[in-house]
Amino acid sequence: GAVVSQHPSRVICKSGTSVKIECRSLDFQATTMFWYRQFPKKSLMLMATSNEGSKATYEQGVEKDKFLINHASLTLSTLTVTSAHPEDSSFYICSARGRLDYNEQFFGPGTRLTVL
Amino acid sequence: GQNIDQPTEMTATEGAIVQINCTYQTSGFNGLFWYQQHAGEAPTFLSYNVLDGLEEKGRFSSFLSRSKGYSYLLLKELQMKDSASYLCAAMDSNYQLIWGAGTKLIIKP
Repeated sequence: GAVVSQHPSRVICKSGTSVKIECRSLDFQATTMFWYRQFPKKSLMLMATSNEGSKATYEQGVEKDKFLINHASLTLSTLTVTSAHPEDSSFYICSARGRLDYNEQFFGPGTRLTVL
Repeated sequence: GQNIDQPTEMTATEGAIVQINCTYQTSGFNGLFWYQQHAGEAPTFLSYNVLDGLEEKGRFSSFLSRSKGYSYLLLKELQMKDSASYLCAAMDSNYQLIWGAGTKLIIKP
């Protein structure tokens, strides 16, 4: 199956700093990438959908200026958490969908963000 | 509105069989997915159903009834490593996944 990587896998930062998380599709072209957030013992919450070369579509309640998403190429999307606060601490997961198969999303391994 | 319902938690015994149910309501339908998620890890794909009926894949099987908006995941010969959360997700007409809250499966020896 297709492989999606995320980097870093774990990050600890201080309040007020910004953190960038990368999501890469390693062996296919991802026309669409999804960013999810997951709190402990809760299901995935879709934050935004990004299509290559266009602006991301954010879900209701997700701050665009807080969570900056860039999908500059067919293999890379980035999520930047700006001016991070402790309540931003969470598990962030990306998934990617290719051009040919709309019915499958491939998940990255996730990034554990802890804001002190 | 769109909604996915599945039990919060289930307990089963090693070697036994367990069925995890899922009901869904979506705007359009492009298939039903089951994912397994171990604590601290990303979800991994288990199955995809878009037509009515049962799909069998080793110890795991998934069933779909589109007219009832219902699916189940059947796990046979349970092993301790099957302890995980099982997420049901339905794909709507925009090819977006609508996620259930997940069912935590606890396997006891």
